[in-house]
Amino acid sequence: DVKVTQSSRYLVKRTGEKVFLECVQDMDHENMFWYRQDPGLGLRLIYFSYDVKMKEKGDIPEGYSVSREKKERFSLILESASTNQTSMYLCASSDRGLRQETQYFGPGTRLLVL
Amino acid sequence: DQQVKQNSPSLSVQEGRISILNCDYTNSMFDYFLWYKKYPAEGPTFLISISSIKDKNEDGRFTVFLNKSAKHLSLHIVPSQPGDSAVYFCAAENYGGSQGNLIFGKGTKLSVKP
Repeated sequence: DVKVTQSSRYLVKRTGEKVFLECVQDMDHENMFWYRQDPGLGLRLIYFSYDVKMKEKGDIPEGYSVSREKKERFSLILESASTNQTSMYLCASSDRGLRQETQYFGPGTRLLVL
Repeated sequence: DQQVKQNSPSLSVQEGRISILNCDYTNSMFDYFLWYKKYPAEGPTFLISISSIKDKNEDGRFTVFLNKSAKHLSLHIVPSQPGDSAVYFCAAENYGGSQGNLIFGKGTKLSVKP
């Protein structure tokens, strides 16, 4: 059974703080993804990574960076948190190189930036 | 421009009846589609998928239909149960290079009333 875990379920930060969101998967998946979910906007891809130390921008990368130092771990970094980054953040993973692959999601981190 | 559209933000159905959730897409290169179910404060869970070589895929109470000529797919839930109340996301695989990304619709909130 695929398991994707995220370091925090709920997080409250202040404007300007640096924020780290951690994601770990235990299925040896190559691909990892970070999304944010906002009401009425669905899931929007922030960044993804298809290998260690590799990263690609998604649809909304501005204000975010990522780190993938180990295969199982993918971190999302908010360099200077702003109130418009208040959202639900979802991490996902999938096998690499397979067509028609399923992404498996973590439980999400609800971030509030004050 | 939205490539995956779920035009109904919400749907209310009586328990025991059929729920039909719709999804339209614009990119004829999409050849794999997925439905995810999401409860509040949880990550999306994979529900069912369909490849473009099929026009129907069934898994228990859930059936997905694909009409390639109309670029339309639908998820049927029969019979609907109160536990099915959740937000349902349609997604299409955007495959390029060596990895695939998913493009999500904005979701439809299903309420099943006892």
